[in-house]
Amino acid sequence: DAGVTQSPTHLIKTRGQQVTLRCSPISGHKSVSWYQQVLGQGPQFIFQYYEKEERGRGNFPDRFSARQFPNYSSELNVNALLLGDSALYLCASSLADWASNYGYTFGSGTRLTVV
Amino acid sequence: LAKTTQPISMDSYEGQEVNITCSHNNIATNDYITWYQQFPSQGPRFIIQGYKTKVTNEVASLFIPADRKSSTLSLPRVSLSDTAVYYCLVGLTGANNLFFGTGTRLTVIP
Repeated sequence: DAGVTQSPTHLIKTRGQQVTLRCSPISGHKSVSWYQQVLGQGPQFIFQYYEKEERGRGNFPDRFSARQFPNYSSELNVNALLLGDSALYLCASSLADWASNYGYTFGSGTRLTVV
Repeated sequence: LAKTTQPISMDSYEGQEVNITCSHNNIATNDYITWYQQFPSQGPRFIIQGYKTKVTNEVASLFIPADRKSSTLSLPRVSLSDTAVYYCLVGLTGANNLFFGTGTRLTVIP
């Protein structure tokens, strides 16, 4: 079975541009969460979606948005990119909108560099 | 979510047992303690979870004292491939988000 897949693996964007990151959860998983990991720090929670509805939002500006599709895949959009948005963006999937902590499976992430 | 404190880094020789302690003084009654492992350019991977006393699996052991204000992740006979960042998380099982601190960077030396 494929794990959580994210695309692209690497991306370089210019300040002010917009970016879309994609995530496909494990087959059967209905929940997708997004995390931002800045170099040297732990991942920080951005969003959680379950059954196409937003179920949680972290402390991120409105430039960050996401959505979930009927096949449970998800996109994370970031508008008006800033240099500080450079990070590894991680997607995690789980069966339900909640999970015991071991129920989260992470992808390998998308490395976004803003120049 | 309860805040956690871990050592920033640790070094260990191959074959030794490694113990990483995490402090979580504000842990709530319903909170579980979970440890994740992260290799460079990969997402975190679940290692072990516990509520009290001792939990053991094929990878590690987790020791939690009676007051639950700290926990210790024990990795038996580490190898070079155990070089990674280890995160201690404390929160409700079932929370829809995970709170990662800065973690402990373990370096295993040949």
